[in-house]
Amino acid sequence: DVKVTQSSRYLVKRTGEKVFLECVQDMDHENMFWYRQDPGLGLRLIYFSYDVKMKEKGDIPEGYSVSREKKERFSLILESASTNQTSMYLCASSFEDPGYTFGSGTRLTVV
Amino acid sequence: GENVEQHPSTLSVQEGDSAVIKCTYSDSASNYFPWYKQELGKGPQLIIDIRSNVGEKKDQRIAVTLNKTAKHFSLHITETQPEDSAVYFCASYNFNKFYFGSGTKLNVKP
Repeated sequence: DVKVTQSSRYLVKRTGEKVFLECVQDMDHENMFWYRQDPGLGLRLIYFSYDVKMKEKGDIPEGYSVSREKKERFSLILESASTNQTSMYLCASSFEDPGYTFGSGTRLTVV
Repeated sequence: GENVEQHPSTLSVQEGDSAVIKCTYSDSASNYFPWYKQELGKGPQLIIDIRSNVGEKKDQRIAVTLNKTAKHFSLHITETQPEDSAVYFCASYNFNKFYFGSGTKLNVKP
């Protein structure tokens, strides 16, 4: 089974901190994605990547950046965390066919 | 762009009853429709999917139907069990992007 591992289940950070959320997949998938999940809003795409060094903005990229230096790792960066970025963050990966494998999520609280 | 609407937002059924969750989409180019189940504290897991050239697909107690003309698709769970309690998300896919519904919290009462 494909595994998508998010390094932290729960994080608490202070406003203004730079925050790194890490995601690693173990099946050589080309495509990786970062979503945030908020009650009543569903899943919203932040950034995605179809290859190493490649990144594309999703629907809500403001306040975020990403890094994909290796195929298996896709990092989400909050440049200066704010309270409105308190959310559940989900990483996903896929191969050529659509059909995601999601990680377990990181619940980030910014205080 | 694509817009996916999901109803109801919450659904409570008695164990053994059926549950139906409906989604509509707006872009006729969408060609793949997965359903995900998310249990508390976990990431969403794919439970069933359907492509646009198929009208219905079944996997044991779950089934998905697709009406391309009306642009809606539904998840059907029969003989519900307490372990079916979770949040269910629908999604549509086109042009390399997924569009998710807002989720349905299903509660199966024993």
